[in-house]
Parts: sequence; structure tokens; C-alpha cells
Amino acid sequence: EAGVAQSPRYKIIEKRQSVAFWCNPISGHATLYWYQQILGQGPKLLIQFQNNGVVDDSQLPKDRFSAERLKGVDSTLKIQPAKLEDSAVYLCASSLGWLAVNTGELFFGEGSRLTVL
Amino acid sequence: KQEVTQIPAALSVPEGENLVLNCSFTDSAIYNLQWFRQDPGKGLTSLLLIQSSQREQTSGRLNASLDKSSGRSTLYIAASQPGDSATYLCAVDTGANSKLTFGKGITLSVRP
Repeated sequence: EAGVAQSPRYKIIEKRQSVAFWCNPISGHATLYWYQQILGQGPKLLIQFQNNGVVDDSQLPKDRFSAERLKGVDSTLKIQPAKLEDSAVYLCASSLGWLAVNTGELFFGEGSRLTVL
Repeated sequence: KQEVTQIPAALSVPEGENLVLNCSFTDSAIYNLQWFRQDPGKGLTSLLLIQSSQREQTSGRLNASLDKSSGRSTLYIAASQPGDSATYLCAVDTGANSKLTFGKGITLSVRP
């Protein structure tokens, strides 16, 4: 079974530039999450999708971050314009979703490491 | 607001030692608790998931316990090996849309 795919793995940009990250979840997983992990911290949820609808985006800085999940499969997370404090690893995760038989287990991708100079 | 604490932040042990990693959480109304492993520059790998109705889960040399009433979980690693060196994160699911709240993790180093 293929895991959660993310790209790019690494990205270096200057502040005020824009960047986009892509995620393809495990096939059949209805729920998709984007987490931000700053160095030395635990991951923090940015946004959660159930199919193509947003379930929780309460911690997403909406003035600069946006995310979409068209057709309920893959997703993109965009940052525009980037700030120095956005330097972090952006982790995508997926799960079956609570509408299915679900243990609640999340499966994570390798992450996309962003450095903002 | 749920808060998850993992202390200490780092731990170094000699190979072969049995060890316990601790996790505490402030709100006992949880759906499940998960332990993850993270290698440097990598994503998170799920190790064990304990449902709120369970007391413990075992996988190989790993055993995780859950005491909801006291807001604590432990991850026991038997006969530690250098390959166990990684950061171990605890996360609780409050059941509200399967949203996980993570601790900061414990960075484990097992010395040969």
C-alpha cells in the first residue's frame, strides 16, 4: 500500500515570496490534515479536510495561508507572502475518517521542509 | 484546551537498558492516544494507538499504557538498541473530528 506522498521535500525562498506544497493521501482515506512542525516543537494542526470540505481551519493564518482539496483526493497548501516564522516542516497526514470504520490512526508523509530567508 | 507534556525533552541511555517515556495530558476526555516515532528529517511513524477504553497496547519490544483518570501514558521500550534512537511523540485525540494534540517529543539516544 502506497503511503502519503508529499512534494517538494525541501524548499528555500525569500520572505514575501510564495510557495505551494502538494499532498496525495493514502487511497480511500477521506480525511486529510496539514500540520506545521517548527523545530523542537510537536506538530500543530493547520487545517483538516473531510473529503473536499473543511472540518477545522481554526489555526490556519488565513491572511497568508490557503489550502484546498479538490475532488476529495490530493491537496495543496499555499503560503503567500511567506514570513521568516513560517520556516518549518509541513506535514500532511491522512486517515480513513470518522464516517468509516476508523481506529483514528493517522498516517503521515515525509514532510516538506520550508526555509524562509 | 488540551495540553500534552513530555518530560524530559531528551534522554540518553546505554544499549540494552529498559526505559520508560512519559506523557501527560490535561483533559481526560480523550478518544485515543497515539505514540509516534520521528527520525531526523523524516515524517511521523505511528507506533501504537490506545483507544480510550483500553489500558495498554503492545507491539514487539514496545508497550504503551494509558491511565485516563490521571491523564498519563507511558511508552515502555524493552532492551533498547541504537536503532531506537529517534524522537518519540505522544498525541491525544479529543474525538472532536479526530484532531490530534501533540507533545513536543522526547529525543532518545541509545549509546552502543
